[in-house]
Amino acid sequence: GENVEQHPSTLSVQEGDSAVIKCTYSDSASNYFPWYKQELGKGPQLIIDIRSNVGEKKDQRIAVTLNKTAKHFSLHITETQPEDSAVYFCAASKGSNYQLIWGAGTKLIIKP
Amino acid sequence: DTAVSQTPKYLVTQMGNDKSIKCEQNLGHDTMYWYKQDSKKFLKIMFSYNNKELIINETVPNRFSPKSPDKAHLNLHINSLELGDSAVYFCASSQESLNNEKLFFGSGTQLSVL
Repeated sequence: GENVEQHPSTLSVQEGDSAVIKCTYSDSASNYFPWYKQELGKGPQLIIDIRSNVGEKKDQRIAVTLNKTAKHFSLHITETQPEDSAVYFCAASKGSNYQLIWGAGTKLIIKP
Repeated sequence: DTAVSQTPKYLVTQMGNDKSIKCEQNLGHDTMYWYKQDSKKFLKIMFSYNNKELIINETVPNRFSPKSPDKAHLNLHINSLELGDSAVYFCASSQESLNNEKLFFGSGTQLSVL
């Protein structure tokens, strides 16, 4: 079955710098890759997603890149701000009728 | 207007007790889920219901029994609570349709078994 690995488990960056979180997946049939942000005391919230027919997607300061050949995808956050501090999860699935397989999460700490 | 609401937010109880967590969504979604998040933040799906029918039942002790009275509600009943059940439990919902896999999560129920 699908396996999703996420690195690093903790990432500390200076405010204003960029942050990159990487995930690898094992099932080449996976075609949907969302990223969720979980703030303290709240449930995860979808921030961006990408499908396998696209190599990159941007939404303001966040972007996701996908390398299907290498089976990895990454979340990029530019100009980090204190409110970016949270736990970020990547996930993968083979589509809407299939279960999401989750990464283990990355705790992102933005240092003032 | 909370989209996915679960109660209670905190639940502290003794080992061996039976407890329930309630979840309701007002998004009109047809699929609801229960997830367990352990102390290391790992998210593990427990159950998934589509239109009141069970479609995913991961390896979860049968002390955990989900109940879906209608497609807007998915409650979780836990019998004979154990120390290892301590975790944060999240309810979520989604609308099953092509290219629409977005999950909406509740704010979680922190269960502490003493």
